[in-house]
Amino acid sequence: QVQLVESGGGLVKPGGSLRLSCAASGFTFSDYYMSWIRQAPGKGLEWVSYISSSGSTIYYADSVKGRFTISRDNAKNSLYLQMNSLRAEDTAVYYCASWRRGSYDYWGQGTLVTVSS
Amino acid sequence: QSVLTQPPSVSAAPGQKVTISCSGSSSNIGNNYVSWYQQLPGTAPKLLIYENNKRPSGIPDRFSGSKSGTSATLGITGLQTGDEADYYCGTWDSSLSALNWVFGGGTKLTVL
Repeated sequence: QVQLVESGGGLVKPGGSLRLSCAASGFTFSDYYMSWIRQAPGKGLEWVSYISSSGSTIYYADSVKGRFTISRDNAKNSLYLQMNSLRAEDTAVYYCASWRRGSYDYWGQGTLVTVSS
Repeated sequence: QSVLTQPPSVSAAPGQKVTISCSGSSSNIGNNYVSWYQQLPGTAPKLLIYENNKRPSGIPDRFSGSKSGTSATLGITGLQTGDEADYYCGTWDSSLSALNWVFGGGTKLTVL
């Protein structure tokens, strides 16, 4: 069955960096567009970034543009999010999700990123 | 403040029907498919409806979706206590000279 497993979250100081990973299994990862979506504590869902199946098309939310970089390694069935210049407002659970038929059809369990001094 | 507007909360009794609205504009709902997600407490979101009104395998037909113009609606019939969750609509938005996916602010469903 489809599995998306995020890792790499943790506590980081403001201005610091963190790299999230998402390991995919149970489907042909290289055929799917993928995204990172986050949820601050007690808040709603916020879309962060999107990458096409080949990696040639990438979009970012304005709130992370210039600080976050999405990438993928289809040979390793993995999605990544490099997060630099982290701010307190980046504190959230980060989900990776697969995009198909105009929607996010599978989601990981999420990894918590806490930005605090 | 999301570009997609949902009511913060709705409630109904078990067995009853409830609808959740999602209001947008021509730059999002008006020209794109809408999807709906259910987030049970402490869990990751789950896809309920895609392409406005289609249900993924395994989603009961108690859940339905519709779209008209720049608004979409999620309907849930035969409410069960297990339906208590947060519900989000989502779609693409092209209003800021860029393409962004947007979610509604979420609606908390209480089954009384």
